[in-house]
Amino acid sequence: GDSVTQMEGPVTLSEEAFLTINCTYTATGYPSLFWYVQYPGEGLQLLLKATKADDKGSNKGFEATYRKETTSFHLEKGSVQVSDSAVYFCALSKTDSNYQLIWGAGTKLIIKP
Amino acid sequence: NAGVTQTPKFQVLKTGQSMTLQCAQDMNHNSMYWYRQDPGMGLRLIYYSASEGTTDKGEVPNGYNVSRLNKREFSLRLESAAPSQTSVYFCASKMDRGNSPLHFGNGTRLTVT
Repeated sequence: GDSVTQMEGPVTLSEEAFLTINCTYTATGYPSLFWYVQYPGEGLQLLLKATKADDKGSNKGFEATYRKETTSFHLEKGSVQVSDSAVYFCALSKTDSNYQLIWGAGTKLIIKP
Repeated sequence: NAGVTQTPKFQVLKTGQSMTLQCAQDMNHNSMYWYRQDPGMGLRLIYYSASEGTTDKGEVPNGYNVSRLNKREFSLRLESAAPSQTSVYFCASKMDRGNSPLHFGNGTRLTVT
């Protein structure tokens, strides 16, 4: 079945470091891909999305490119801040499954000043 | 601008007790969802309601029931709580069945002893 695999955390970085959180997927057809972020004590919120191959989603300095050839959607940011500390979830949805989201396990990011 | 409101925020139950988790959204969304979040497992869909008057099972429906009371409200009931239902529960909503973003509440942390 369809699935999403994320790199295990926690990922610990210093402020201003470059961030990559890996996400790969297994799915038939042409899924849409998402990154959601969960700040401490809050619900998840959409960070960015891409709906077709080679699309780049971006928001708040974060970017991810939909790579069909490597079935990946890695999240990147050039210079992280302490306020980026959160749990990041990669997810996919497909039209033939009523757009239900399939979630990765989440990656906790810790940024140290 | 409340968004998705969940009550209660915390709850402790004894095995066999029942309770209802409440969820309301003020964004005029058609679709509503209940997820549980467990460490290392991402989010798992319990039940969803694609539109007012309809409900469907998700990935892990056993031990739960739901009611879509009206367009705004979607409640989750545990009839006889079990320790395996210890989790953080999130309600979410979105505009329609498609790829519009999910909006989450802040969660209910439930412990069953």
